[in-house]
Amino acid sequence: DIQMTQSPSSLSASVGDRVTITCRASQSINSYLNWYQQIPGKAPKLLIYTASNLQSGVPSRFSGRGSGTDFTLTINSLQPEDFATYYCQQTYSTPRVTFGPGTKVDFK
Amino acid sequence: EVQLVESGGGLTQPGRSLRLSCAASGFRFGDYAMHWVRQAPGKGLEWVAGISWSSDTIGYAESIKGRFTISRDNAKNSLFLEMNSLRAEDTALYYCAKMSGGEIYYYAMDLWGQGTTVTVSS
Repeated sequence: DIQMTQSPSSLSASVGDRVTITCRASQSINSYLNWYQQIPGKAPKLLIYTASNLQSGVPSRFSGRGSGTDFTLTINSLQPEDFATYYCQQTYSTPRVTFGPGTKVDFK
Repeated sequence: EVQLVESGGGLTQPGRSLRLSCAASGFRFGDYAMHWVRQAPGKGLEWVAGISWSSDTIGYAESIKGRFTISRDNAKNSLFLEMNSLRAEDTALYYCAKMSGGEIYYYAMDLWGQGTTVTVSS
């Protein structure tokens, strides 16, 4: 099975900061990498699909890059509503999909 | 309204069974793959199972394989998860999620329900 890792596991940031989260797959997953945001007590929300495509309705300060095994999620100018946990997910390995362990972004 | 509503969770004892349901509305349910994803208290997201639009392709996480069965009824816009031989480690909030395409891979989960809680304890 493909394993997903994320770094860092948590980070502290301030409003207005630029934040980058890294996700790595144990083998190539092409560009089949999605990013989700989860606010405590809420269901996850899709942010980015197939590595770099912004989901409809998601602010443009979110962006994704990468292919193969290495991917990044960047949040430009962090806003108060962005403090949450972010998960990457691979959907390349059929018939299983895998989530990363998550990166918690909190207030500095 | 486009939504997914889970039901069927509750408190049960180890070794017992539960059946979760997910009612879909506001979109063509039969066109999309569906998944179950769970989250244990204070933990991350764990994929549980997925089923293609036609039920031809089904996948399970190793942690539940042989104990859980995913199924769907496209005529009733419903997704199910039959959970047998439940263990304490199955305690979690269970979400159903819609895939953005008809297969369980290659796409993304673009719609989630609010989840139903399963607690397994003696």
